Amino acid sequence: TAGITQAPTSQILAAGRSMTLRCTQDMRHNAMYWYRQDLGLGLRLIHYSNTAGTTGKGEVPDGYSVSRANTDDFPLTLASAVPSQTSVYFCASSIQGDTEAFFGQGTRLTVV
Amino acid sequence: KNQVEQSPQSLIILEGKNCTLQCNYTVSPFSNLRWYKQDTGRGPVSLTIMTFSENTKSNGRYTATLDADTKQSSLHITASQLSDSASYICVVRPKTGANNLFFGTGTRLTVIP
Repeated sequence: TAGITQAPTSQILAAGRSMTLRCTQDMRHNAMYWYRQDLGLGLRLIHYSNTAGTTGKGEVPDGYSVSRANTDDFPLTLASAVPSQTSVYFCASSIQGDTEAFFGQGTRLTVV
Repeated sequence: KNQVEQSPQSLIILEGKNCTLQCNYTVSPFSNLRWYKQDTGRGPVSLTIMTFSENTKSNGRYTATLDADTKQSSLHITASQLSDSASYICVVRPKTGANNLFFGTGTRLTVIP
């Protein structure tokens, strides 16, 4: 099984441009998450969704938006990218909110 | 101050040797503690999970310990292999707020031949 897939793998984006990071899982997990990982910091939660149709803000939501139209997909959108959003972004999913999270391979985003 | 602190930040050991990674946390009350392995360029993968009542749990050459009184956990790797080279991340889930995981910054382990 594919598990959880992110696209693109990496991207260089001009500041001010918009971009959507894609995340798809085929495990029928209810909960999905977006994290960013920066050097010297632990993974930080951007947004989450406990079930299709619902989303919530994490620790660092500003500048990002998400949607959860169905169980499988959880895209993350940067409306107007800034250099501080340069990071590695991980999507994750779990059966429900308190069970093991399975991570995608990450998207390395550079905003210049 | 981060509620999950890991040490050392990085570690280099010879293949075949053992090592122990430390995790101190202040998250309270907590539901469980997981150790994740993150290979370079990959997402983290869960190695072990420990609940409040568990002291030791093994997964092959990996053994995790938990002292809930002192709020400390360790991950011991036995007979290290080159493939153990990775970052090891300690993650604590509080009892309330299931989505609110607390991540350590990780220990970068390098195993050399």
